[in-house]
Amino acid sequence: AQKVTQAQTEISVVEKEDVTLDCVYETRDTTYYLFWYKQPPSGELVFLIRRNSFDEQNEISGRYSWNFQKSTSSFNFTITASQVVDSAVYFCALSEAQRGSTLGRLYFGRGTQLTVWP
Amino acid sequence: DGGITQSPKYLFRKEGQNVTLSCEQNLNHDAMYWYRQDPGQGLRLIYYSQIVNDFQKGDIAEGYSVSREKKESFPLTVTSAQKNPTAFYLCASSNSDIQANEKLFFGSGTQLSVL
Repeated sequence: AQKVTQAQTEISVVEKEDVTLDCVYETRDTTYYLFWYKQPPSGELVFLIRRNSFDEQNEISGRYSWNFQKSTSSFNFTITASQVVDSAVYFCALSEAQRGSTLGRLYFGRGTQLTVWP
Repeated sequence: DGGITQSPKYLFRKEGQNVTLSCEQNLNHDAMYWYRQDPGQGLRLIYYSQIVNDFQKGDIAEGYSVSREKKESFPLTVTSAQKNPTAFYLCASSNSDIQANEKLFFGSGTQLSVL
């Protein structure tokens, strides 16, 4: 079973629209970490955010914001006033740190391809 | 500048051939990882190493081998036993201290194709 589900395979928006990328995760651990990464066409994954399971505060960073809700096991990502440069594949990932595994043992969702049209 | 260098960017493998993908980091990270990315499949862990001379299998280790003789290097060999090697391979590293506010750093990847 998928530990991280990103149900949206592809999303297309027009510049300046807001867009939300969904992420639902599954774990039995009480301590875990959630991540969002961006993969532009160059291929390298770029870190966006890391959130631990004890911190449910929403976070805003410029045009980016994240909504973490343990009650629904979701960690959604919203881009406000999208730009063409936001076009990329976005991955949500889970690390079950409590099992003693190293931080990098991430479970990735299948990714959401976001295309922002001018 | 600190970072992770993967080479080559593109690699072609013939039937029955072993090929080795290079991954070097100068971030002084203890832990290194190899992920495989297939279209629409996300990233899957092949092998990881938390310290020199030690490594662990990930979720899809069959047909692959690694070594960790130096802290900064973690080469991945795709053996002839890997029947479907065509994929994008990403190397990553991190500080192995989970309590630190660390993240994975990724290289720019190697696209492996079968001739």
